[in-house]
Amino acid sequence: EAGVTQSPTHLIKTRGQQATLRCSPISGHTSVYWYQQALGLGLQFLLWYDEGEERNRGNFPPRFSGRQFPNYSSELNVNALELEDSALYLCASSLDNSPLHFGNGTRLTVT
Amino acid sequence: EDQVTQSPEALRLQEGESSSLNCSYTVSGLRGLFWYRQDPGKGPEFLFTLYSAGEEKEKERLKATLTKKESFLHITAPKPEDSATYLCAHFFGNEKLTFGTGTRLTIIP
Repeated sequence: EAGVTQSPTHLIKTRGQQATLRCSPISGHTSVYWYQQALGLGLQFLLWYDEGEERNRGNFPPRFSGRQFPNYSSELNVNALELEDSALYLCASSLDNSPLHFGNGTRLTVT
Repeated sequence: EDQVTQSPEALRLQEGESSSLNCSYTVSGLRGLFWYRQDPGKGPEFLFTLYSAGEEKEKERLKATLTKKESFLHITAPKPEDSATYLCAHFFGNEKLTFGTGTRLTIIP
């Protein structure tokens, strides 16, 4: 069984640009979660999608947004990038109340 | 505020030296306590879920236990490959899995 896959692995952007990160969940999983892990910090909850709907949102500005597609894959968009957005962005998937399973993340660097 | 606190922040052990990691949480309602392992540059890998006080789960050299206010991850006779950051997380009422900042474990050969 394939795990959660994220692309790209690394992404380098300039301040003010937009970044799009993609996530494919484990087959059969309907929920997708996004977390930000900045260097030296813990995982901070960003967004939760389930059955195509945004179910919950963390304490992040509106320039962080996303969506979930009919095939349950998801993308995270970050507009007007700032230097402090540099981090590892992790996607996880689950089904009902099963534990979250994570991908290996996208390393976003903003210069 | 919902909070998950882990201690110690870092732990260095000799190979074979057993120890325990602690995870405490402030919310009274327990909806699942999760342990993950994270290697550098990778996503967290699921280890255990505990749902009720007194519950225990084991996997190889790891054993997770749960009380009403905290959880312990016991590591017995660790090997260098057990070196990683261990994260605990709790489901709070608004359906988000909240993580602690982790314990960075180093096992010295």
